[in-house]
Amino acid sequence: ILNVEQSPQSLHVQEGDSTNFTCSFPSSNFYALHWYRWETAKSPEALFVMTLNGDEKKKGRISATLNTKEGYSYLYIKGSQPEDSATYLCASPSGSARQLTFGSGTQLTVLP
Amino acid sequence: NAGVMQNPRHLVRRRGQEARLRCSPVKGHSHVYWYRQLPEEGLKFMVYLQKENIIDESGMPKERFSAEFPKEGPSILRIQQVVRGDSAAYFCASSPDRGAEKLFFGSGTQLSVL
Repeated sequence: ILNVEQSPQSLHVQEGDSTNFTCSFPSSNFYALHWYRWETAKSPEALFVMTLNGDEKKKGRISATLNTKEGYSYLYIKGSQPEDSATYLCASPSGSARQLTFGSGTQLTVLP
Repeated sequence: NAGVMQNPRHLVRRRGQEARLRCSPVKGHSHVYWYRQLPEEGLKFMVYLQKENIIDESGMPKERFSAEFPKEGPSILRIQQVVRGDSAAYFCASSPDRGAEKLFFGSGTQLSVL
């Protein structure tokens, strides 16, 4: 079973601050790394899918990087806004069927 | 295009009853995944299905739980003789392919067992 870990578990930042959090995963047999945003009372929504070492992806103020050799990915949020408050999940395919294994998430709260 | 539709949103059952959770994937998606979120825990994989086939059920409890994705109609997650420990949010997701493709999630079914 793939072990996907995220840190920190929770994070409080002030509006306007930039922040980042980490996802670590086994570097052997790497296939892909997913990031999802999960707002309260909604369903998880895909942000990025990354497959290549050194990949950098950006969506508005949110960006992500990938290091498959050392087994980590960072998610960055620039100039956090209250609407960024959510749980951010990373996941990686594992098993013969490559189903996604999720980390426990980082719960971000942006204070106005 | 409609997204992944799950129903019911909330389901209350008494111990020993059966729970049936339905999931209609995004139109054109042939891969369906069920995940469970227990209180204070993250999303845990249960089962992966393609049309008429169970591909991987390694995350599903061996007893009382079953899943199907028939040729016509929604995917069904069935829990027989529910117990209080089955209380959780059950999420369905779909994708057009497996592996690198992102998943599209439904809003989940909150199962409460009294």
